[in-house]
Amino acid sequence: EADIYQTPRYLVIGTGKKITLECSQTMGHDKMYWYQQDPGMELHLIHYSYGVNSTEKGDLSSESTVSRIRTEHFPLTLESARPSHTSQYLCACGTGLEQYFGPGTRLTVT
Amino acid sequence: QQPVQSPQAVILREGEDAVINCSSSKALYSVHWYRQKHGEAPVFLMILLKGGEQKGHDKISASFNEKKQQSSLYLTASQLSYSGTYFCGTDFNTDKLIFGTGTRLQVFP
Repeated sequence: EADIYQTPRYLVIGTGKKITLECSQTMGHDKMYWYQQDPGMELHLIHYSYGVNSTEKGDLSSESTVSRIRTEHFPLTLESARPSHTSQYLCACGTGLEQYFGPGTRLTVT
Repeated sequence: QQPVQSPQAVILREGEDAVINCSSSKALYSVHWYRQKHGEAPVFLMILLKGGEQKGHDKISASFNEKKQQSSLYLTASQLSYSGTYFCGTDFNTDKLIFGTGTRLQVFP
């Protein structure tokens, strides 16, 4: 079944650690996105990609980086986690008309 | 640039109707509507394109007024399953979606 996956679902980590949030999709979409969402708040686009080797920053400034080496894989990396990075990170893929979201990773930096 | 939604929150009894508005200060080319239930990911409801007709999905429909740069989502005879946060989004004629401020809807029996 075509789907979009994120791992881990929950992550608690100490300040200064390097982390990578994984996002994979089997839907075959070229366009992929990362959003940041604080509890009960709106979604902010932090990164997007139109295809392999294409990455762009979104409207919300983020210290994270992304890569797109394979169509189905769009990982997000934080080189040095800080408490201000505590949030939920949602990955999505889709066409220009519709986006499909993964279940999200809830990150807590202590 | 972020679309503004109103109201911020709505409380309904089952069977009541609600309207959620989405306004932009910039010209809209399309409006997307998503619903996010508590603890879950957003789910696509519908998209309205510039020059397109009003859309409907079961008892949820939406309209798009290009001149006023706004869209409205209509929930008719609300059900408990309608509870969640509703987001409008617009792409401003690009491929990236900018989501609105969100409207929290709670339906009680």
